[in-house]
Amino acid sequence: NAGVTQTPKFQVLKTGQSMTLQCAQDMNHEYMSWYRQDPGMGLRLIHYSVGAGITDQGEVPNGYNVSRSTTEDFPLRLLSAAPSQTSVYFCASSYEMGGELFFGEGSRLTVL
Amino acid sequence: AQSVTQPDIHITVSEGASLELRCNYSYGATPYLFWYVQSPGQGLQLLLKYFSGDTLVQGIKGFEAEFKRSQSSFNLRKPSVHWSDAAEYFCAVGPGPSGYSTLTFGKGTMLLVSP
Repeated sequence: NAGVTQTPKFQVLKTGQSMTLQCAQDMNHEYMSWYRQDPGMGLRLIHYSVGAGITDQGEVPNGYNVSRSTTEDFPLRLLSAAPSQTSVYFCASSYEMGGELFFGEGSRLTVL
Repeated sequence: AQSVTQPDIHITVSEGASLELRCNYSYGATPYLFWYVQSPGQGLQLLLKYFSGDTLVQGIKGFEAEFKRSQSSFNLRKPSVHWSDAAEYFCAVGPGPSGYSTLTFGKGTMLLVSP
């Protein structure tokens, strides 16, 4: 069982570059979300989706875009990377919003 | 809006000793409550969850937690800690059966296990 799969696991960017973090789940979950984890800050919600074609902003959405064209995939786009976006990013999915979350293994992003 | 407080940033416990990690939440109705564990370099794994019913919840790896509505708490316990339990632990609150919102996480408690 793959569960939630994130790629890449590690990425180094230069300021101003763009990139996409990929997230896929094979559990047919309607709800998907992206978090960033920074030391001492816990997990902060970036964007989430309650189904294909429906996305919404979380606590820290600035600098990130998302789309949900299929139930399985929920990519996170950084349009112009900044050093403040250096973080570990987690994708998570759930049968429904507010229910048990299943997490990917994380993507560590460094912006120079 | 819901919120979660984990008062202890770090806790050090001797191997074989008992453990209690504190979690307090703020939510107007009956919440869903979760404890997750994160080993270094890994994602978050669910330890246990409370949705309804018995307020003492058993989880994986010998952990348990007790929901105390009067204290708005959901503390995590383990009778005897093993060195492999060293990790970061996150408490989370969800909206419960009558709500519709995302999970809110605490800032985490780092557990260190001394020999």
